[in-house]
Amino acid sequence: GQNIDQPTEMTATEGAIVQINCTYQTSGFNGLFWYQQHAGEAPTFLSYNVLDGLEEKGRFSSFLSRSKGYSYLLLKELQMKDSASYLCAVRFYNQGGKLIFGQGTELSVKP
Amino acid sequence: GAGVSQSPSNKVTEKGKDVELRCDPISGHTALYWYRQSLGQGLEFLIYFQGNSAPDKSGLPSDRFSAERTGGSVSTLTIQRTQQEDSAVYLCASSSGQGDYEQYFGPGTRLTVT
Repeated sequence: GQNIDQPTEMTATEGAIVQINCTYQTSGFNGLFWYQQHAGEAPTFLSYNVLDGLEEKGRFSSFLSRSKGYSYLLLKELQMKDSASYLCAVRFYNQGGKLIFGQGTELSVKP
Repeated sequence: GAGVSQSPSNKVTEKGKDVELRCDPISGHTALYWYRQSLGQGLEFLIYFQGNSAPDKSGLPSDRFSAERTGGSVSTLTIQRTQQEDSAVYLCASSSGQGDYEQYFGPGTRLTVT
């Protein structure tokens, strides 16, 4: 199958750094997306990786290793508003533009 | 500009009834996707439209589910003879094309089958 695996939940402290991991099947890989979803709201785009390496965007960074089938989302200087679900999604060749999503990681930021 | 819109925002229906969910994508977006999100779960792909190509229906869970996209814009997801397990949030997304384009999601329709 095309299982996308990520931890179910994580807890971190305001001002700290947290890393959310995502692993996926490497065969046919054609891009990885991270989305943020606050409770009761639509997912919003955070980052896209298709080549190996780190993509930095403000407090958020996303890393990809295609050979290992591994990505992580790094959140720095955590704020209370970062409490949300973080969704890892992968696109595969020969499947058009549809995304296969992991179950999401529920992040709780504590004071 | 306007984002993806969906209607209704909430729908409560009795088991066995048919429901129609509507999605208005961002103007000019050629790709449109339907996903389903059950409580505490990730998004599950349902169906995907790209331009004038035949839709990818590989994610539809049963033949009770169908979708159409009229004029390359608005899409309707229809669920016939609803069952309790159909209760979920149905999310629509659109994107500019088939490449490395992000998908923009609508607010979703929360469907409850009683």
